[in-house]
Amino acid sequence: KNQVEQSPQSLIILEGKNCTLQCNYTVSPFSNLRWYKQDTGRGPVSLTIMTFSENTKSNGRYTATLDADTKQSSLHITASQLSDSASYICVVPLSYNTDKLIFGTGTRLQVFP
Amino acid sequence: DADVTQTPRNRITKTGKRIMLECSQTKGHDRMYWYRQDPGLGLRLIYYSFDVKDINKGEISDGYSVSRQAQAKFSLSLESAIPNQTALYFCATSDHGTENRPQHFGDGTRLSIL
Repeated sequence: KNQVEQSPQSLIILEGKNCTLQCNYTVSPFSNLRWYKQDTGRGPVSLTIMTFSENTKSNGRYTATLDADTKQSSLHITASQLSDSASYICVVPLSYNTDKLIFGTGTRLQVFP
Repeated sequence: DADVTQTPRNRITKTGKRIMLECSQTKGHDRMYWYRQDPGLGLRLIYYSFDVKDINKGEISDGYSVSRQAQAKFSLSLESAIPNQTALYFCATSDHGTENRPQHFGDGTRLSIL
């Protein structure tokens, strides 16, 4: 079954600390993996898209890693800020050249001062 | 994403009513999508459209219909709303294929059916 699973479900950290969110997927064949950020009351916003050949990709304080062999990805947030409080969603397309995406249920991150 | 606008942002209605949710975009993208988001579940695809002449069913199309009135407009209708259609609905767009291109989401319509 094609699935995207994320952990933890929720996370609380203090401002300035780092954190890592996990994503495991069973979707095959693999095309790419996306991370989205969803603020409360807003739509998801793309953070990064990683293809099969990319192991690490950064977007400011966000760094995503991908291990296509173990079908795992992580999103590392460095020096967290209050504005990082959001849900982070891992997404994998169902196959190549498809508009059908499999969404994880997200990790809800809360950053406190 | 201000380039994808959904109206209304919130709607409360009664069982059996017909409801239309609207989406418009200024990104010039060909492809448009409707999703619903429920607590504890990932977003699920309802319908998607490649252009005004092309409509495709997604994972959960039963009870919904869509209309692509123009490249920039894609509406979702619930012909006879039922309580389990209470959810957060998102419209999204993408440029050509999804391959390595992100989808751009509106800010959603919160729909409650009593």
